[in-house]
Amino acid sequence: NAGVMQNPRHLVRRRGQEARLRCSPVKGHSHVYWYRQLPEEGLKFMVYLQKENIIDESGMPKERFSAEFPKEGPSILRIQQVVRGDSAAYFCASSPPSGAQYFGPGTRLTVT
Amino acid sequence: SQKIEQNSEALNIQEGKTATLTCNYTNYSPAYLQWYRQDPGRGPVFLLLIRENEKEKRKERLKVTFDTTLKQSLFHITASQPADSATYLCAFSPFNQAGTALIFGKGTTLSVSS
Repeated sequence: NAGVMQNPRHLVRRRGQEARLRCSPVKGHSHVYWYRQLPEEGLKFMVYLQKENIIDESGMPKERFSAEFPKEGPSILRIQQVVRGDSAAYFCASSPPSGAQYFGPGTRLTVT
Repeated sequence: SQKIEQNSEALNIQEGKTATLTCNYTNYSPAYLQWYRQDPGRGPVFLLLIRENEKEKRKERLKVTFDTTLKQSLFHITASQPADSATYLCAFSPFNQAGTALIFGKGTTLSVSS
């Protein structure tokens, strides 16, 4: 009974490079969420997706950030032209149509 | 704007005592509250969900209350153990269904000493 899987667990990128974070939800969960946790801050919602649709991206920066959840395969959070301020832990969560959200172990992004 | 606050950043107690963590919210009436545990370097782990029409919920040594009049949830760990040391997060969502963002408090870091 696998939980939410995220990879890579750690990612180092130089300023200006692209970062791709992957998330496989719990089997049977159709809802995926991405959150960001900055050092000394709480978890902040970024985006909520269902298969092939972005439902709510109100927490996502307007530029450089995008997310997808294709019909087949994991959900991807993509950050283009990374800057130092993007360094954070990025968590993915999934849920069934009603109920709690279950989180993955996170991807720790470091921008050098 | 909707706000959720966890009163203490840190709480230190002795093994065997009951730990009580507080979560207050303002400018909203959530349909349910969730509590999570987060260990350093790991993702949050779901513990309990309590709905607005439930006064109390229990799971083993854990108990959560939800007072919509006080706009407050209390999280209790009875007979605490050093292994309970972690950061505990409360979160709410305005709707009683999936598909909405969770708004998280900053967490309370609990330390249980033996």
